[in-house]
Amino acid sequence: DGGITQSPKYLFRKEGQNVTLSCEQNLNHDAMYWYRQDPGQGLRLIYYSQIVNDFQKGDIAEGYSVSREKKESFPLTVTSAQKNPTAFYLCASPFQGGNQPQHFGDGTRLSIL
Amino acid sequence: QQQVKQSPQSLIVQKGGIPIINCAYENTAFDYFPWYQQFPGKGPALLIAIRPDVSEKKEGRFTISFNKSAKQFSLHIMDSQPGDSATYFCAASQGTALIFGKGTTLSVSS
Repeated sequence: DGGITQSPKYLFRKEGQNVTLSCEQNLNHDAMYWYRQDPGQGLRLIYYSQIVNDFQKGDIAEGYSVSREKKESFPLTVTSAQKNPTAFYLCASPFQGGNQPQHFGDGTRLSIL
Repeated sequence: QQQVKQSPQSLIVQKGGIPIINCAYENTAFDYFPWYQQFPGKGPALLIAIRPDVSEKKEGRFTISFNKSAKQFSLHIMDSQPGDSATYFCAASQGTALIFGKGTTLSVSS
């Protein structure tokens, strides 16, 4: 939506399985962010990247991994080490190249089978 | 460690009422305070934002009031409508990622 595309919209993970969530942007922005949203908890930062081939851990990075090989793509892998992965995952990128993420995708809802 | 505290958790108002959502922050280095609106199954959308050198900002029916000395800011929605029913998040940042409040679920009854 509005330049940030997340897929799939719904995803199911089996025990011990890694799954990858896609985030693509056509805004030509340098920075991209991943947040996790749990009911009643607000949004918490998982990882962020301010430039290609570089990324930083956020507040809850354990059990997650990312890559930033292309400017337009910032995929998030939820590994089997993440014991409570059920959540709504949101990708964001700032408007006009600023440092504050203001533009969100429509999210991926991950559930455990 | 919650750096942005938001209240109330939920709010019910009648159509035409003025819901007020409050947030308090701890880090005086924050320099950007946005509000987001989120509908079910969608990502948050930026509603309005303010910087600490301004005490009030209005955009349409939405107003942010900012009190730097008290480290508090609030969102007022004038003439609220049923279509305003959503979850609202305040946030704060210091140049990198945003720190969010836990959200307020607003219901506007007709």
